[in-house]
Amino acid sequence: GENVEQHPSTLSVQEGDSAVIKCTYSDSASNYFPWYKQELGKGPQLIIDIRSNVGEKKDQRIAVTLNKTAKHFSLHITETQPEDSAVYFCAASSTASKLTFGTGTRLQVTL
Amino acid sequence: NAGVTQTPKFQVLKTGQSMTLQCAQDMNHNSMYWYRQDPGMGLRLIYYSASEGTTDKGEVPNGYNVSRLNKREFSLRLESAAPSQTSVYFCASSERARRGDTQYFGPGTRLTVL
Repeated sequence: GENVEQHPSTLSVQEGDSAVIKCTYSDSASNYFPWYKQELGKGPQLIIDIRSNVGEKKDQRIAVTLNKTAKHFSLHITETQPEDSAVYFCAASSTASKLTFGTGTRLQVTL
Repeated sequence: NAGVTQTPKFQVLKTGQSMTLQCAQDMNHNSMYWYRQDPGMGLRLIYYSASEGTTDKGEVPNGYNVSRLNKREFSLRLESAAPSQTSVYFCASSERARRGDTQYFGPGTRLTVL
């Protein structure tokens, strides 16, 4: 089955700096890669996703890149703000109905 | 629109007790899911229901049963709780069980089994 590895497990950046979280996946059949943000005490919320026919997608301060050859994808957050502090999860979908999640990255944005 | 709601928010059980976690969605979605979240392990799929009247096992189904009561509601039952089932449980829904359909998550139920 699919296996998703996510790094780093924790990340601390100063406000205004950029943050990058990286994920690798194992199943070459995967073609959908969402990113979720989970705030304390809440459920995960989709922030951006990318499909395998696209190499990059951007939404304001958030961007995701995908390298299918290397089987890795990354989340980039620019101009970080304190409200970006949360746990971020990447995921990959190799079959309908099934999302395989990474183990999460705790992002701390300090003033 | 409340989205996906879950009850209860917190629960403490003793080993061997049973309980049912409730989930409801008001987005007219066809597919619903149950995940558990453990520290350092991300979210793992327990069971899912692609459509009303169907249920299928996910990655970690042992010790759980599910019921898709109707299109809106999908419950998760622990028949004889074990300490290994201490976790945070999330319900999610999507329009269909298609690759690429966004899954929307509820706020979670934090379960402790003593």
